[in-house]
Amino acid sequence: GDSVTQMEGPVTLSEEAFLTINCTYTATGYPSLFWYVQYPGEGLQLLLKATKADDKGSNKGFEATYRKETTSFHLEKGSVQVSDSAVYFCALRGQGGSEKLVFGKGTKLTVNP
Amino acid sequence: GAGVSQTPSNKVTEKGKYVELRCDPISGHTALYWYRQSLGQGPEFLIYFQGTGAADDSGLPNDRFFAVRPEGSVSTLKIQRTERGDSAVYLCASSFAQETQYFGPGTRLLVL
Repeated sequence: GDSVTQMEGPVTLSEEAFLTINCTYTATGYPSLFWYVQYPGEGLQLLLKATKADDKGSNKGFEATYRKETTSFHLEKGSVQVSDSAVYFCALRGQGGSEKLVFGKGTKLTVNP
Repeated sequence: GAGVSQTPSNKVTEKGKYVELRCDPISGHTALYWYRQSLGQGPEFLIYFQGTGAADDSGLPNDRFFAVRPEGSVSTLKIQRTERGDSAVYLCASSFAQETQYFGPGTRLLVL
């Protein structure tokens, strides 16, 4: 079945550092890909998405590109802030059929001042 | 506007008891989803409604779990004969058609 693998955390960075969180997936066809974020004490929020190969999703300075050839959707940000500290989840929605999301295990990011 | 709301926010119960968890989706959203999130894990799909009917219930772990959405809006997740392994955060999400899923804050269930 469909699955998502994302890099294990926790990840600790200093403010203004470059961030990469790796995400790869297994799915048939062309799934839609998502990054969700969970800030401390808050619910899951959609950060960005891409629905077809080579699409780039972006929001709040974060970017991720849908790479079909490497089945990847890595999250990047050029300069992180303390306020980016959160847990980040990569997810996919399979092509056709159910609308369910399949999530990775999450990566906890801590940004220190 | 109002987001997805879930009640209760926390529920403590004893092994073997019955519990009901409620989800109020965003007004007008046709699809509603239930997920379960265990500590240190990502959300795991349980069931998805399109309108009043369950379009996909393949994630329900066993027949102790059941969910309804009788009028196509509010949904209730029902767990019979709770077990300690059912302890988790139960998340509800809603969407309009096949658009973005918006999540509620979750119900934290603890089975003693």
